[in-house]
Amino acid sequence: EVQLVESGGGLVHPGGSLRLSCAASGFTFGNHDMHWVRQVPGKGLEWLSGIGMVGDSYYAASIMGRFTISRENGKSSLFLQMNDLRAGDTAVYYCVRGSYCRSYGNCYPVGYFDSWGQGTLVTVSS
Amino acid sequence: QSALTQPPSASGSPGQSVTISCTGTNSDVGGYNYVSWYQQHPGRAPKLMIYEVTKRPSGVPDRFSGSKSGDTASLTVSGLQAEDEADYYCKSYGGSNTWVFGGGTKLTVL
Repeated sequence: EVQLVESGGGLVHPGGSLRLSCAASGFTFGNHDMHWVRQVPGKGLEWLSGIGMVGDSYYAASIMGRFTISRENGKSSLFLQMNDLRAGDTAVYYCVRGSYCRSYGNCYPVGYFDSWGQGTLVTVSS
Repeated sequence: QSALTQPPSASGSPGQSVTISCTGTNSDVGGYNYVSWYQQHPGRAPKLMIYEVTKRPSGVPDRFSGSKSGDTASLTVSGLQAEDEADYYCKSYGGSNTWVFGGGTKLTVL
């Protein structure tokens, strides 16, 4: 059974930092691209960042330069380092499994976000 | 990248069909056949319902179907059931390995 378990959320002051982690199990982690998606309570979903099987990373413009995604395939773990946090970053952060990658750049189906964690709440407030 | 445009709400009676639209631009929805749809019940994580515009993951009922015309994608739910009441989000490839979601549509089964 595929499982994604996020951790690291909590209360942080504006300007502070947090590092989210996602522990994956039940599948070959290194063969999937992975993503972070957030949701402000009561609002919609926002894609934040994705990372390929070899560590190539991609970001939404809204968080570019403040957030850094990374992965450790040997430990089946995904991370999101969040710096200079703002009130608008308050949200539930989801770890999401993406497409299966047979090799670098050969991932399918495209945009296949088929497994989601339960989410971890980040609250930015003074 | 701006969010894709979805109607805030949609509704239908049990057994009826309802269609939810998702409008983007030729830089996202119109430029690629990589639109997917997600269902989210309150307090739950989203669930993939449609990918690559028209395809259903295994386990998703065939009452759910997707289509696209130009810059607008659509999700149709046929034979509405009470358990279909949820929020629905579209998502499109936005180029350069980025993704963009729609604002979401709350589907009510009357």
